[in-house]
Amino acid sequence: EVQLVQSGAEVKKPGQSLKISCKGFGYSFSSYYIGWVRQMPGKGLEWMGLIYPGDSDTRYSPSFQGQVTISSDKSISTAYLQWSSLKASDTAMYYCARQDTFDIWGQGTMVTVSA
Amino acid sequence: DIQMTQSPSAMSASVGDRVTITCRASQGINNFLAWFQQKPGKAPKRLIYAASSLQSGVPSRFSGSGSGTEFTLTISSLQPEDFATYYCLQHNNYPRTFGQGTKVEAK
Repeated sequence: EVQLVQSGAEVKKPGQSLKISCKGFGYSFSSYYIGWVRQMPGKGLEWMGLIYPGDSDTRYSPSFQGQVTISSDKSISTAYLQWSSLKASDTAMYYCARQDTFDIWGQGTMVTVSA
Repeated sequence: DIQMTQSPSAMSASVGDRVTITCRASQGINNFLAWFQQKPGKAPKRLIYAASSLQSGVPSRFSGSGSGTEFTLTISSLQPEDFATYYCLQHNNYPRTFGQGTKVEAK
């Protein structure tokens, strides 16, 4: 079965760093884009960026450029989203999804940033 | 950035109703548009890709149409399980952009 499995919920303090993951199963991970989407509490979906694991080509939304880093390790079929210094405003659900058209979604990782 | 404007933002409907949701792009995006359904507490689910192609396993009461700047998602006969929020996504230009969502509630 094709699926994306994300890492578990995180609770962090402002200023801390964080790296969440998205592991692909059941398909050739290197051959499909992985995108990341933010959903703040009670709000809509925001496209953050994506990566092509085959060559690590990465694109960011200007809204998120410099705020997060998207990476991948194709040897373990895993994509990552990381922050170097979290803010309270990073509190949200984060989803990964496959392909440019998001045909398969992970279950989401809830990130809570609170002092 | 391409702006995707969905309308309406919310609507009330009854089981059996025909429901139409529109997504307008601020510039032409060919047919590079997908539609998603999201239920509370769940990840979104793709319904339509390439503007009008039905995702495998999605009921045929869902359909998509349009090209260029105006797109439509239609539910031909609303079912109880269809009460949810719907989003469009353009993937013609970077950055990709979602519409703001349309919440379909029970009347």
